[in-house]
Amino acid sequence: DTGVSQDPRHKITKRGQNVTFRCDPISEHNRLYWYRQTLGQGPEFLTYFQNEAQLEKSRLLSDRFSAERPKGSFSTLEIQRTEQGDSAMYLCASSTTAERSNNEQFFGPGTRLTVL
Amino acid sequence: ILNVEQSPQSLHVQEGDSTNFTCSFPSSNFYALHWYRWETAKSPEALFVMTLNGDEKKKGRISATLNTKEGYSYLYIKGSQPEDSATYLCARRPGNKLTFGTGTQLKVEL
Repeated sequence: DTGVSQDPRHKITKRGQNVTFRCDPISEHNRLYWYRQTLGQGPEFLTYFQNEAQLEKSRLLSDRFSAERPKGSFSTLEIQRTEQGDSAMYLCASSTTAERSNNEQFFGPGTRLTVL
Repeated sequence: ILNVEQSPQSLHVQEGDSTNFTCSFPSSNFYALHWYRWETAKSPEALFVMTLNGDEKKKGRISATLNTKEGYSYLYIKGSQPEDSATYLCARRPGNKLTFGTGTQLKVEL
């Protein structure tokens, strides 16, 4: 299977703890995106990378959030000092800049975070 | 329209019914409109990417149209089946990031 994968699928943590999620994109895709979906809302953009460069960050991405893509392949999203408001589904997507791709983004299954 | 809006929020239909949903979006600075189907516990599945005014795309029993001048897209499902039950999301793309609506939740009953 060469789809986007995310790990873990579920994470339950206590308020104040740090958590880290991993995303493995489709292998030939050079762009990688993180989105967050809270209950009753559509997914909201957090940040994206082209290769290893982080090109855009949303205002939603507070100082407690950090994302990396050190070798231009997999990415990690870390949340420090988690708060109950961080409870959400965290989605990763990838795309290619190849011509005719229309920047179609392919999503992973998400990591559901619950902060108690 | 300032944001991406979808209607209805939810829909229950009988197997075999045809149905349609609406996605409204700001018409300025338009680049592309994406449709996704998201079943519970699965990854959102890309259905269509639409870029040109008047675009019509089809995938099996599902089709979509696009009007960029007035800022709307329709998604049609012909002869709904229980496996069509999912949340259908549209997203506007001005640049590289997607701005999503809140989705239409479809339930197809036997």
